[in-house]
Amino acid sequence: SAVISQKPSRDICQRGTSLTIQCQVDSQVTMMFWYRQQPGQSLTLIATANQGSEATYESGFVIDKFPISRPNLTFSTLTVSNMSPEDSSIYLCSGARDYSYNEQFFGPGTRLTVL
Amino acid sequence: AQTVTQSQPEMSVQEAETVTLSCTYDTSESDYYLFWYKQPPSRQMILVIRQEAYKQQNATENRFSVNFQKAAKSFSLKISDSQLGDAAMYFCASLNAGGTSYGKLTFGQGTILTVHP
Repeated sequence: SAVISQKPSRDICQRGTSLTIQCQVDSQVTMMFWYRQQPGQSLTLIATANQGSEATYESGFVIDKFPISRPNLTFSTLTVSNMSPEDSSIYLCSGARDYSYNEQFFGPGTRLTVL
Repeated sequence: AQTVTQSQPEMSVQEAETVTLSCTYDTSESDYYLFWYKQPPSRQMILVIRQEAYKQQNATENRFSVNFQKAAKSFSLKISDSQLGDAAMYFCASLNAGGTSYGKLTFGQGTILTVHP
């Protein structure tokens, strides 16, 4: 497995501002993913972060709202843009080392509160 | 499209007893994986157990085992000798090994497990 860290662990932001969440893996991974988890709810995939190309977004999520970068095989960022209280959630990143993606390991999440 | 359903929002068990968490899934793919993840209050998602769909033998990991019924599309988790540290939210998840949703995890709604001393 691998160890994933996320920064910040939590933040409180004002509506209309943006926050960038960093995800760092301690070893190279093939794919990285970003999820949203509203309190007490399940995880919903936002996008797949591809190294060297644009992220692939799931239905209901758009690049203008959630721009993602993946500059190398150990790092990715997710920006939550023009935030509203509805964006208050836990954001988690995960990594998968092989091309079957059948073992994903997760970061500890970033708890975002938008006022 | 994949769907995963956990019909038990909450479950409780006495310490040292056995508990079973239920999960059903639906997928059009023939090759897929099924998982149980544990999420304690720390929010860290921890992989508990994994089952390859092509394997008939049920996966086991120490006190954790699954009952995989492929025809019924059922994938339950049995926790034996429950410990206080098992208290967490448990998520069932599926991952297609092919098709348009290749590599994407789909999660169920989660089951909160409480362990009573």
